Amino acid sequence: GQQVMQIPQYQHVQEGEDFTTYCNSSTTLSNIQWYKQRPGGHPVFLIQLVKSGEVKKQKRLTFQFGEAKKNSSLHITATQTTDVGTYFCAGPFDGGSQGNLIFGKGTKLSVKP
Amino acid sequence: SQTIHQWPATLVQPVGSPLSLECTVEGTSNPNLYWYRQAAGRGLQLLFYSIGIGQISSEVPQNLSASRPQDRQFILSSKKLLLSDSGFYLCAWRAKRGAYTGELFFGEGSRLTVL
Repeated sequence: GQQVMQIPQYQHVQEGEDFTTYCNSSTTLSNIQWYKQRPGGHPVFLIQLVKSGEVKKQKRLTFQFGEAKKNSSLHITATQTTDVGTYFCAGPFDGGSQGNLIFGKGTKLSVKP
Repeated sequence: SQTIHQWPATLVQPVGSPLSLECTVEGTSNPNLYWYRQAAGRGLQLLFYSIGIGQISSEVPQNLSASRPQDRQFILSSKKLLLSDSGFYLCAWRAKRGAYTGELFFGEGSRLTVL
């Protein structure tokens, strides 16, 4: 069945280092979304990418959607302790009409001060 | 502005007991509503979704059921809990849109421990 895979599962970085998480879909996606979940919290929407090859930036965060619309990445420059949490990518399930989202398992980021 | 409320925040239930989690959305009408479960602090599994009152779709066969008695109310239930039902349950809503999926707005979550 359709899958959305994320790597790595865990990433430990020193504050100030960069961080990247990768998302790969088994099928072409019409769009991809990214969410952040702080420890003990709920997922919060970060961004949606729609166009092939699209790149969007939010301060130190850079999001990219692959040319084939099957992969995406999130890159954080110079991580801070406030970046701690789990980052999820999600793509719409193409087997139904509602575009329900399939989530990756997430990348858990820890930042050592 | 739109808000989503979910309760209870935490509960500990014995095996075989019933369950009822409730979620309400304010500030929007006719939303799509969702119940997700997150086990062991990891991935999000879609359990149920609803596109309207009384319309429930199940994504995973299980010990749980969902109901939508009002436009902005979504309830997750079980008649008899199993140990495997433990987890973090998240209610979410999404505005109905055209071709592209809109973002999900999640509630604060309900952490269920079944003993």
